[in-house]
Amino acid sequence: GDSVTQMEGPVTLSEEACLTINCTYTATGYPSLFWYVQYPGEGLQLLLKATKADDKGSNKGFEATYRKETTSFHLEKGSVQVSDSAVYFCALSLFFYNQGGKLIFGQGTELSVKP
Amino acid sequence: DSGVTQTPKHLITATGQRVTLRCSPRSGDLSVYWYQQSLDQGLQFLIQYYNGEERAKGNILERFSAQQFPDLHSELNLSSLELGDSALYFCASSVFEGSMYNEQFFGPGTRLTVL
Repeated sequence: GDSVTQMEGPVTLSEEACLTINCTYTATGYPSLFWYVQYPGEGLQLLLKATKADDKGSNKGFEATYRKETTSFHLEKGSVQVSDSAVYFCALSLFFYNQGGKLIFGQGTELSVKP
Repeated sequence: DSGVTQTPKHLITATGQRVTLRCSPRSGDLSVYWYQQSLDQGLQFLIQYYNGEERAKGNILERFSAQQFPDLHSELNLSSLELGDSALYFCASSVFEGSMYNEQFFGPGTRLTVL
């Protein structure tokens, strides 16, 4: 079935370090791909998205490129801040007519950034 | 603030009881999704409604049901509650039924504790 696999956390980094969170997917069709972020005690916020192969999503210094050949959508940031500490979820969505547009999530990766 | 509201924020109840969780989507959004977040299962899709009609179903237990009303708000009813139903329940909304551009906006969640 369709699924998303993320690297396990927690990931602990020092401020200004580089971040990569790996995400790979399995899908029967051509999914749209998303990264959501969940700050402590809050709901999920969309961080970035990509809807087709080779698209690059970017937001707030984070980037991810839709790689169809490796079925991956790794999240990267060149210099993390303490305020980036959160749980990051990779997700996919497949659209089939009249069958809805649910999101399938990875297990989440907790990021902790130390000053 | 995503524009999606959920009430109540916290709910504590006993096994065997029934509860109702409420969600109001963003203005203009026709789709409502319910997700369950638990430590062992992660984020799981439960059910989707689009403009009042059920559109997709995930791993939703038979003890759980939902509906979307003419004003587009939605309620998730959980009955015969068990300890394992303790989780964070998120509502999300989107404009479309589902599409490659279908961005979902999440509410802050309802934390359910079953004692």
